[in-house]
Amino acid sequence: EVQLVESGGGLVKPGGSLRLSCAASGFTFSSYSMNWVRQAPGKGLEWVSSISSSSSYIYYADSVKGRFTISRDNAKNSLYLQMNSLRAEDTAVYYCARETAHDYWGQGTLVTVSS
Amino acid sequence: ETTLTQSPAFMSATPGDKVNISCKASQDIDDDMNWYQQKPGEAAIFIIQEATTLVPGIPPRFSGSGYGTDFTLTINNIESEDAAYYFCLQHDNFPLTFGGGTKVEIK
Repeated sequence: EVQLVESGGGLVKPGGSLRLSCAASGFTFSSYSMNWVRQAPGKGLEWVSSISSSSSYIYYADSVKGRFTISRDNAKNSLYLQMNSLRAEDTAVYYCARETAHDYWGQGTLVTVSS
Repeated sequence: ETTLTQSPAFMSATPGDKVNISCKASQDIDDDMNWYQQKPGEAAIFIIQEATTLVPGIPPRFSGSGYGTDFTLTINNIESEDAAYYFCLQHDNFPLTFGGGTKVEIK
């Protein structure tokens, strides 16, 4: 059974940093691209970033480019999102999802940016 | 960037109704459209891939149609368990974009 479990969310002050993790199981992690998607309170979903299976290709939304860094460790079956220079507008539930098709999703981790 | 306009934002249906949810793309995306269902506190579920293909394990009352810029998710004979938030995703080009979502309530 495919499982994606996000962790690392929490309360952080504006300008602060946070690192999200997504632990994958039930499939050959190293064969799939992965994504981060977020949903702000009361808003729709927003794609954040994607990384190819070997990390050769990485894409970011303009809203996070230069502040967020996606990475993965295929040996640990894990996906990461390093978030720096956080802003109030980054407050959201962050989800990881498998493949460009987003065929499997985690349940999300809440990031709150507030002073 | 491809903008997806999803409608309606909210709908209320009676068990047995046929429900249509629309997603319109601002440019041609072929059939690179997927649909998802999400319930509060749960992971999103992949229900329609490539605009028209039912994901294995999803009840056949769900169907998708469309190509290019106009897409529709249809739920036939809607059931109480179908109360959820539905959204579309285009994966034709980066940045990937989502529709605004539709909350479906069952009376």
